[in-house]
Amino acid sequence: EVQLVESGGGLVQPGRSLRLSCAASGFTFDDYAMHWVRQSPGKGLEWVSGITWGSFKIDYADSVKGRFTISRDNAKSSLYLQMSNLRVEDTALYYCVKDVGYADFLFFDSWGQGALVTVSS
Amino acid sequence: EIVLTQSPGTLSLSPGDRATLSCRASRSVSTSNLAWYQQKPGQAPRLLIYGASSRATGIPDRFSGSGSGTDFTLIISRLEPEDFAVYYCQQYGGSPQTFGQGTKVEIK
Repeated sequence: EVQLVESGGGLVQPGRSLRLSCAASGFTFDDYAMHWVRQSPGKGLEWVSGITWGSFKIDYADSVKGRFTISRDNAKSSLYLQMSNLRVEDTALYYCVKDVGYADFLFFDSWGQGALVTVSS
Repeated sequence: EIVLTQSPGTLSLSPGDRATLSCRASRSVSTSNLAWYQQKPGQAPRLLIYGASSRATGIPDRFSGSGSGTDFTLIISRLEPEDFAVYYCQQYGGSPQTFGQGTKVEIK
């Protein structure tokens, strides 16, 4: 069974940094692209960032480009999101998401339960 | 980026009814790279449909998807109590991937 467990969320002041982690199990982690997708309270889904199996392709939403960095450690079956210069509008539940592809971005077949990030002074 | 517009925003129906959800793209979605997800309160989204019309593993056949180009449809043929939820379309043919704003299917 695929399991994706996010950690590292919390309350942070605007302008500060936070790092999310996602521990993956139940599948061969380095065979798949991975993503972060967020959902603001009571709102819809927003793709944030994606990374292919070997980190050869990395992409970001315009709203986070230059502030967020996605990375992965295949040896640890882990995905990360380093978030810097956080803004109030970054407040959301951040989901770790598994792609069905490995060398390109396709659709998502497994989601974690999410890590809540609240940016507030 | 490709903007996806879902309609209606809310669909009020009864169990046993047929639900028709629309997802319209601002420009053509290449090779029907469109997926549908279901999200229930307090839960993560679940993949229902990919490639516009292929059901994901374990999804009942009352869910069906169709469409191409800029117009896509999700149909739930007979609503079960567990189908009342929010549904999102997603296109993965263009960069960045984008989601629609969602359609809520609520009990009438």
